[in-house]
Amino acid sequence: GAGVSQSPSNKVTEKGKDVELRCDPISGHTALYWYRQSLGQGLEFLIYFQGNSAPDKSGLPSDRFSAERTGGSVSTLTIQRTQQEDSAVYLCASSLKETQYFGPGTRLLVL
Amino acid sequence: GEDVEQSLFLSVREGDSSVINCTYTDSSSTYLYWYKQEPGAGLQLLTYIFSNMDMKQDQRLTVLLNKKDKHLSLRIADTQTGDSAIYFCAEKRAGSYQLTFGKGTKLSVIP
Repeated sequence: GAGVSQSPSNKVTEKGKDVELRCDPISGHTALYWYRQSLGQGLEFLIYFQGNSAPDKSGLPSDRFSAERTGGSVSTLTIQRTQQEDSAVYLCASSLKETQYFGPGTRLLVL
Repeated sequence: GEDVEQSLFLSVREGDSSVINCTYTDSSSTYLYWYKQEPGAGLQLLTYIFSNMDMKQDQRLTVLLNKKDKHLSLRIADTQTGDSAIYFCAEKRAGSYQLTFGKGTKLSVIP
């Protein structure tokens, strides 16, 4: 079946611009997660959505980062006024129970 | 120290067994996971083990869990060149939904 999909697969932007990253979870999965993978920090949790509950935003590194999940399905991670340190791979995962399935990631490069 | 620790590199010859080790610090971990990441790709779930188990086997993969020592290992039998990748150990703690990852072990298989 279809796995988690993310778009774009690669994004190059200039410092100070806003970017939007999209995640389509596996159909029927109620939980959705965003992680960031960078060379210096490894894999870091960013945000978690579960059904219609308020998201857990405790991992977002600054107020330039925000995310929403519309209709309990697709999610968008927005980074405003991008900085060079935002360059990383942004990974989305979804789950129904204890197992998280990851998408291929969006590679973000901020010049 | 880090919450989840792994050695960074492992090199084995094709056909040999590989053993990738992981230690974690939180005794409340409920599930422990192994993910594989190939270059330019997302994380592929390989296997996972519930904390009340001490072993799980799935084809060429064997997971061993020593809960007393908080030590997890992944054994790959008959290692192939296609197994070359980065392997991540991750834990899920009781009452939490996010995964905490190690920094990953890069497995190189020599033909």
